[in-house]
Amino acid sequence: GQQLNQSPQSMFIQEGEDVSMNCTSSSIFNTWLWYKQDPGEGPVLLIALYKAGELTSNGRLTAQFGITRKDSFLNISASIPSDVGIYFCAGPIQGAQKLVFGQGTRLTINP
Amino acid sequence: SAVISQKPSRDICQRGTSLTIQCQVDSQVTMMFWYRQQPGQSLTLIATANQGSEATYESGFVIDKFPISRPNLTFSTLTVSNMSPEDSSIYLCSVVGGQGANEQFFGPGTRLTVL
Repeated sequence: GQQLNQSPQSMFIQEGEDVSMNCTSSSIFNTWLWYKQDPGEGPVLLIALYKAGELTSNGRLTAQFGITRKDSFLNISASIPSDVGIYFCAGPIQGAQKLVFGQGTRLTINP
Repeated sequence: SAVISQKPSRDICQRGTSLTIQCQVDSQVTMMFWYRQQPGQSLTLIATANQGSEATYESGFVIDKFPISRPNLTFSTLTVSNMSPEDSSIYLCSVVGGQGANEQFFGPGTRLTVL
């Protein structure tokens, strides 16, 4: 089935640094979604991407839909303590609205 | 986006018992889903909750273990039956909404611990 490979699995950075994480698949996706999950909470949708090559920003977050439609990346600029959490990429399983999720990237920030 | 609530937020249960989790949405939605998130893991889809008909289960999940109800367009329940410690997970409901056809919004989750 369709799978998403997300990397890195974890990141330990200093406050103020930029962050980059990516998601790849052997299958084509028509939509890429990026979520953040805080401890004890459900995932919150950060950015949705619908077109190959699309670059979308949400505040300090920027995400891109890869040209091949098999990858996407998420960048966070000038990280702050509240960016701590787990970031997931997700995409719809072909022909359905069901989502498959990447393994997640756990972000830890040292103040 | 829709506001989604889940009850209970957490529970500790004994092996062999069952727990029913409720998911309430503040607006009518067509598509509702139930996910499981095992400790330290990503989200895995359990089933699609269909209004007025039986849920559609993903590979590895069966109705006898995870019966689902969807009596209307704002409410669904997931029961975790005959629980074992391996069922200890966060259970999340989600709905489709937003601008795109594939954007899903999640409830806060139910954290289940089975002893």
